[in-house]
Amino acid sequence: DIQLTQSPSFLSASVGDRVTITCRASQGIGSSLAWFQQEPGKAPKLLIYPASTLRSGVPSSFSGSGSGTEFTLTISSLQPEDFANYYCQQVKNYPITFGQGTRLEIK
Amino acid sequence: EVQLVESGGGLVQAGGSLRLSCVASGFTFSDYYMDWVRQASGKGLEWVGRVRNKANGETTEYAASVKDRFIVSRDDSRNSLYLQMNSLRTEDTAVYYCVRSPSVTYLLDVWGQGTTVTVFS
Repeated sequence: DIQLTQSPSFLSASVGDRVTITCRASQGIGSSLAWFQQEPGKAPKLLIYPASTLRSGVPSSFSGSGSGTEFTLTISSLQPEDFANYYCQQVKNYPITFGQGTRLEIK
Repeated sequence: EVQLVESGGGLVQAGGSLRLSCVASGFTFSDYYMDWVRQASGKGLEWVGRVRNKANGETTEYAASVKDRFIVSRDDSRNSLYLQMNSLRTEDTAVYYCVRSPSVTYLLDVWGQGTTVTVFS
């Protein structure tokens, strides 16, 4: 199985800050990585796939980069609605696997 | 509007069975693979299983943790996805999400709101 390791697990930041979340894969997956945002009590929402392509309707303050084994999700200027949990998911192989998640909280 | 609506969650004793359903609307259900993903309270996301579309034989794949206990199936005439859960364990307690997947990929692009399953001993 492909293991995904996200860092940090917890991030405290302020509105307007720039933050970066990293996802490392245990083996190369090309650009086959997706990023999700999950607000408390809600279903995950697809933000980015493949690694650097924003889905329709996602604010341009979000960006993704990387390939192979190292990927990043960057939010350039945090808005109040961005404080949520974020997960990466590899789209390359069975079984589908997710990173353990990053909790982004308001400082 | 693309929508997935799950139902069938509830309380069940360990060793028991439960069947979850998911009704899809707003897209051509038969074109897509469909998946189940679960999330225990306060924990991360865990993929459970998938069923491919008819064009790809409606074949299934499962996570090791549920293989031989859970069955994913679909009824394209009803735009419906199912998860038959047998021999339930307390560790199966979670919110279960129905998820759409564009065929031939493992991308999970549209999620339902989830249904809660609680297994007690």
